[in-house]
Amino acid sequence: GESVGLHLPTLSVQEGDNSIINCAYSNSASDYFIWYKQESGKGPQFIIDIRSNMDKRQGQRVTVLLNKTVKHLSLQIAATQPGDSAVYFCAENIIPRLTFGEGTQLTVNP
Amino acid sequence: DTEVTQTPKHLVMGMTNKKSLKCEQHMGHRAMYWYKQKAKKPPELMFVYSYEKLSINESVPSRFSPECPNSSLLNLHLHALQPEDSALYLCASSQDTNTGELFFGEGSRLTVL
Repeated sequence: GESVGLHLPTLSVQEGDNSIINCAYSNSASDYFIWYKQESGKGPQFIIDIRSNMDKRQGQRVTVLLNKTVKHLSLQIAATQPGDSAVYFCAENIIPRLTFGEGTQLTVNP
Repeated sequence: DTEVTQTPKHLVMGMTNKKSLKCEQHMGHRAMYWYKQKAKKPPELMFVYSYEKLSINESVPSRFSPECPNSSLLNLHLHALQPEDSALYLCASSQDTNTGELFFGEGSRLTVL
């Protein structure tokens, strides 16, 4: 079965607010996680990744946090914009398989 | 060029037809993938090619037949499909299979009548 999953299927935020999308995993041996964004009518797009030797990684307006103790990771999007509206997937890479969890639909309200 | 190009974008076929989906990348990537995605569900891995050799087949029915003619091209041959095979078929590529940074095409939307 799936080893990664998300807590909420939908998230609605106001433009300019920060968004937090959560993901839980079950395999303690998992050591490489990736966040993808999928806009309507498009394929998934890589956002950011993190390996288990890190707790936090930052990109442009995005931060991924990894808590290995509780097997949880989150994606934080700062100053959310309408263009951030999409489905967000966390994925686990157990080489060479990239396995996606269920997605969260992020809606940004103006 | 950071694109993965998939053709056709839409395909409608009967259960007795034979058709193919095509995928192309010119990023010099040595790993290529086929995923299947149903509406409102995550992509599901079907096949992985590494250096033009099939390295993973996720127990996909034989009515789906992948082919990697060269390092830039990936095909998915379809034959005797079922209506439940209707889905979005996504091709992706990556530098190699050690990275989780995959580049996806926009997909081929398949409808089986």
